[in-house]
Amino acid sequence: NAGVTQTPKFRVLKTGQSMTLLCAQDMNHEYMYWYRQDPGMGLRLIHYSVGEGTTAKGEVPDGYNVSRLKKQNFLLGLESAAPSQTSVYFCASSRSGTDVYEQYFGPGTRLTVT
Amino acid sequence: KNQVEQSPQSLIILEGKNCTLQCNYTVSPFSNLRWYKQDTGRGPVSLTIMTFSENTKSNGRYTATLDADTKQSSLHITASQLSDSASYICVVRRASNYQLIWGAGTKLIIKP
Repeated sequence: NAGVTQTPKFRVLKTGQSMTLLCAQDMNHEYMYWYRQDPGMGLRLIHYSVGEGTTAKGEVPDGYNVSRLKKQNFLLGLESAAPSQTSVYFCASSRSGTDVYEQYFGPGTRLTVT
Repeated sequence: KNQVEQSPQSLIILEGKNCTLQCNYTVSPFSNLRWYKQDTGRGPVSLTIMTFSENTKSNGRYTATLDADTKQSSLHITASQLSDSASYICVVRRASNYQLIWGAGTKLIIKP
């Protein structure tokens, strides 16, 4: 039982390049999330999904797109990377988005945009 | 504005000592409050979740308190160990839209 996994772990992009971050979970969770974590700030929600085939915007969605074609996978895309997107990206999943269900996090992807 | 403020920003203590981390929030309406532990280079891991009616909750050497009237929470760590070195993040869930409001965390360093 791997929990939540993310690939890649590290990536360096040049401004304007594109990439996709992959998140996979094996807990059969309905909800999945993408966050970014920047120094001195709390985690900020980029996009989330409440089930296969659904996605929704979070607090900071601009410059990112997501897809949830399979229940276990949640992809985060950067179409044209900018230095402001240098951050650590975390994927999380939860059984439900309501009430007290906790979120389980992946190990993170450290992205640098030069 | 819905915010979660944590103090101190960082803390250094000797192994074996106790410490208390603080969390003040202005989130409304309140649903629940969570404490996460985040080791360097890893994702956050849940320590405890507290609802409105819970004043105290323990998880091993970690004890969280919640005062919903004053909108304050604390995380007390007893007999600290080197493995407690991490960031501790307070998170509050809004009841209206299930939004999670994350604090910036307290970075705790345990020295031998």
